[in-house]
Amino acid sequence: DGGITQSPKYLFRKEGQNVTLSCEQNLNHDAMYWYRQDPGQGLRLIYYSQIVNDFQKGDIAEGYSVSREKKESFPLTVTSAQKNPTAFYLCATGLSSGGPNEQFFGPGTRLTVL
Amino acid sequence: DAKTTQPNSMESNEEEPVHLPCNHSTISGTDYIHWYRQLPSQGPEYVIHGLTSNVNNRMASLAIAEDRKSSTLILHRATLRDAAVYYCILRDREGGSEKLVFGKGTKLTVNP
Repeated sequence: DGGITQSPKYLFRKEGQNVTLSCEQNLNHDAMYWYRQDPGQGLRLIYYSQIVNDFQKGDIAEGYSVSREKKESFPLTVTSAQKNPTAFYLCATGLSSGGPNEQFFGPGTRLTVL
Repeated sequence: DAKTTQPNSMESNEEEPVHLPCNHSTISGTDYIHWYRQLPSQGPEYVIHGLTSNVNNRMASLAIAEDRKSSTLILHRATLRDAAVYYCILRDREGGSEKLVFGKGTKLTVNP
């Protein structure tokens, strides 16, 4: 069963705690992305990685960190430095080359910081 | 980033065609036009993309203006399952990142 797994679907944390969101894929895609979505808004790019052991900041990277130690996995850590972490977080994958290639999205994790 | 402009919302009746417009007057020559849709509480899903010519697939058709400054996503017979937010996106190929730049999209309501 190919696809993108994000866990958990809902996550609650206390303010000041770091939290790590999981993203796993078995599509054999080189590129992986993390987006954040706030209510009624479009998605904004946090971080992306085009190859193992390499990643780049997106538009709103402050307060977040990532790692890409394996092709299949791209975990996102929301640190206590992120001022407003409550949001819907989406992981995506895609082929790293070629403008027409689509991105595939996971089901998302809804993070609520209390 | 090249910008797109879409209506905030549109409404359609079931089994009727729907034309979702998108303006992208600052599109560059190598930008692809992509459409994604997002159902409530789900991740976006790819619908269709094109460069210069009109495109058809099992989900929809994409009509691209000759000057490429606008495009229209066409759902030939809307169903209740097509109710979603539709995003028109230009692929940003700066630095090879190919990130997707999402606007607010068009919320499509389909009436039974």
